[in-house]
Amino acid sequence: RKEVEQDPGPFNVPEGATVAFNCTYSNSASQSFFWYRQDCRKEPKLLMSVYSSGNEDGRFTAQLNRASQYISLLIRDSKLSDSATYLCVVNTLSGGYQKVTFGIGTKLQVIP
Amino acid sequence: DVKVTQSSRYLVKRTGEKVFLECVQDMDHENMFWYRQDPGLGLRLIYFSYDVKMKEKGDIPEGYSVSREKKERFSLILESASTNQTSMYLCASSTALSTDTQYFGPGTRLTVL
Repeated sequence: RKEVEQDPGPFNVPEGATVAFNCTYSNSASQSFFWYRQDCRKEPKLLMSVYSSGNEDGRFTAQLNRASQYISLLIRDSKLSDSATYLCVVNTLSGGYQKVTFGIGTKLQVIP
Repeated sequence: DVKVTQSSRYLVKRTGEKVFLECVQDMDHENMFWYRQDPGLGLRLIYFSYDVKMKEKGDIPEGYSVSREKKERFSLILESASTNQTSMYLCASSTALSTDTQYFGPGTRLTVL
């Protein structure tokens, strides 16, 4: 089983729609969780952290479910500019180091 | 603003050549990372460094080596380039306390012929 699994998509949604992505992780000892965004032919950039209590930033909401070992990202009122690949990131303490593992990313295409 | 720069955006090399990819960060970050990114495989960690002259293998170190002689600079070396090393190479840095908040360079698209 992969350490971090994501549906690669693409998710094609109309402008204004609400879309949600999930990401599962295999190591129950994983400590922290993030979503990164990567635009086409650009580098990944941190989008937001994910907490058990949920984290909201404008139209974006991230949640963590430790019992089921998944994190989610919800985007409300999708904009054309939200088109990108969203990478799930999991941080696990391994061998004395923090091991950061990236998912393969979920591609979102917002259509006019 | 954190800035991570990479020496080349595009590079074309021949099989068997020695290739150097340079990465420089200007925020005095302790941690630096080299990844490669391939379609369907995502970002895979090649090597990382938590301090000057210190290096640790990532998930796919075979065929690569690294050098960190100065805190701001982390070099990736392909000793003898092969066609299966054609990829996008991304460098990243982070503070010691926030390994999961990584700042990436723009990437180097390497093609090995």
